[in-house]
Amino acid sequence: DADVTQTPRNRITKTGKRIMLECSQTKGHDRMYWYRQDPGLGLRLIYYSFDVKDINKGEISDGYSVSRQAQAKFSLSLESAIPNQTALYFCATSEPARGGGELFFGEGSRLTVL
Amino acid sequence: DQQVKQNSPSLSVQEGRISILNCDYTNSMFDYFLWYKKYPAEGPTFLISISSIKDKNEDGRFTVFLNKSAKHLSLHIVPSQPGDSAVYFCAANLIIQGAQKLVFGQGTRLTINP
Repeated sequence: DADVTQTPRNRITKTGKRIMLECSQTKGHDRMYWYRQDPGLGLRLIYYSFDVKDINKGEISDGYSVSRQAQAKFSLSLESAIPNQTALYFCATSEPARGGGELFFGEGSRLTVL
Repeated sequence: DQQVKQNSPSLSVQEGRISILNCDYTNSMFDYFLWYKKYPAEGPTFLISISSIKDKNEDGRFTVFLNKSAKHLSLHIVPSQPGDSAVYFCAANLIIQGAQKLVFGQGTRLTINP
C-alpha cells in the first residue's frame, strides 16, 4: 500500500461544481502539502500545513481551500471549479528536518474541468 | 517569476552514455537543491540532493554538481539505462519565516534509447 494515498485518482467535472480531493498518509509526518502540475510550469504549491492547527497559503491558493482533519488527512477543495483548474494534483508529506526538505508524494489526482 | 528554471523540456540519450540535465536558479538564498524523478501515473520520488555549501554529491550512477557563482546545477547519470527514462524535476529549498518551501523547475523529460 502507498504511504501517501490520494482519492480520487481521476475526476471529470463541470464548471461551477464543488470538488474535493482527499489525501491520507501513513508516514506519521506532521507536514502536508498540495501541489498542482501543469505542462511547462512544473509543480506549484497551493497550500501547506505543518500540523493540524496550521494552514498556510502557497503561491497559487486563489480558488482553493484546504482542511486538515487529522495529522494523517489533508483535503483540497475547489468551491466552484473552473476550466483552468484542470491539472494534475499531488499531495505530499515531509518531516520537519533540515537537509533539503525531502517530500514524499502521492500518485496524483488528475482533474478535468469542462 | 520563475526562480528555478529547466530550459530543456526534453533530452534524448543513448543507453550507456552520459545524461546531463541542467537547472538554473535566481535566488541566492536557496540552501539545498534536490532532484526528483517522475514516471507516468506516479508521484515524483526523491533522487538526490546537494547542500549549497557543497559543489558535488554522488550516489551511485547519479552525481549532482553545483556552481554557485553561475547559479547553476546539473544532474549527471552515467551510464544511462532505459529505466532512467522519466521526467526529472529540479527543486530548490528556501526557508521563509521559519517555514521550509520547495520551488520546482518545469521538468525535463529524459528518454534513454536502446
